[in-house]
Formats: sequence, structure tokens, C-alpha cells
Amino acid sequence: DAKTTQPNSMESNEEEPVHLPCNHSTISGTDYIHWYRQLPSQGPEYVIHGLTSNVNNRMASLAIAEDRKSSTLILHRATLRDAAVYYCILNRAGNQFYFGTGTSLTVIP
Amino acid sequence: DTGVSQNPRHKITKRGQNVTFRCDPISEHNRLYWYRQTLGQGPEFLTYFQNEAQLEKSRLLSDRFSAERPKGSFSTLEIQRTEQGDSAMYLCASRNLQGLAGGRTDTQYFGPGTRLTVL
Repeated sequence: DAKTTQPNSMESNEEEPVHLPCNHSTISGTDYIHWYRQLPSQGPEYVIHGLTSNVNNRMASLAIAEDRKSSTLILHRATLRDAAVYYCILNRAGNQFYFGTGTSLTVIP
Repeated sequence: DTGVSQNPRHKITKRGQNVTFRCDPISEHNRLYWYRQTLGQGPEFLTYFQNEAQLEKSRLLSDRFSAERPKGSFSTLEIQRTEQGDSAMYLCASRNLQGLAGGRTDTQYFGPGTRLTVL
């Protein structure tokens, strides 16, 4: 399965936008890009996913590069509750997820 | 609550003992996954079921590990002769692939996990 590369950690001030990058240069045409996050002592939680076009939902936006070799998760206004580890995952329909180590996001009040 | 549930939430055992964890997926979800997560790492895939059939097992799943999903609903993960290296969070996830076609994907819903400590 194709791998993803994310920064180990990032910081953001509360109520400011956060851009979490992910590189996936070996992505194939059938790979979907998923983002999950994991709060302390909880299981991972779905955030958003997409294939080629940018996606928006109530939690976040996903911007996908035209060549699909990178993507960015955008949290429009970070809150303290957004402090978590964010995982960028490539997934082919129905297959299991392969998580990396993710990006640990710290939100500064 | 109609989410994925796991029991127990915490388990402390002595090395060499057997332990069993249970996962109740979201009803009507036909896929069920088990993952293991150690401190500072992302979850690692162990195995998954489609209905009652176990379709894939990771190399991480040694002979001491066995998983079942006898009626295609809940699942159990048993670890025999536990070792200290088995200490981890064991996560269960479910998803519904019914109706998916043309390479579409669907989201996995994770439970809160069972934290195992082997002394």
C-alpha cells in the first residue's frame, strides 16, 4: 500500500486556521485520501475523505493537489477540542487502513 | 449509543495468561477490523472479517492470537500465553460495504479500544 508522509507535530493558535499537510507521492488512481484524528484515550475518528476534488464538511476541508501527490487538511478555526493526532491515510475501496504516525496538533489558547 | 463498543475497556493480566476482548460493531456493518496501537504509534492492522469470514490476517497476528466472528455480528480477539510485548491498545472498527460499487470507499468507525497491560 502507498505510504503517506506527515510532519510529526504542529502548533496553532486558537481560532486561527490550521493547514495540515500530507505527501503521498506513490498514490494510485484508485486510492482515496482519508483523514482521521485521534483524541487522547479514544479511538480514531473520521474527519473527511476525497478522491480527486476538494471536499468540505462540517468538520474540515480537504484540498487535493491536481497531481494527487499531496493533500492538505484545513481546520478553519482551531479550537482546544481540535488538539489531537491527525492521520492521513490512503485507502483502496474496502481495504484496511494503514496508519502512519500522524501529526500531533497542539492548539494554543 | 449505536456506535462501536468494546469490552473490557481495560485489562491487566500476568504474563502467560490468556485474555479475550469483545467488539460489538455498528449493526448491519458487514466489515469488522482489529488493530493494535502502541504508545506513540498509529494503529496497526491485525485482521478483518466480512460477515463471519476472516479474509485477511497481518503478519503481526502470531499463532497466539485468534479472532472470531461466529455469527457475523460481534467479534472476539483472544491472546493466548500473553507476553509483555502484547501490551497495547486493541482497537476495533466496522464499516458497511453494501452498495459500494465502482471503487467507492466508505468510512471506518472505531470503538474506544481495550487497553491491555501485561505484567
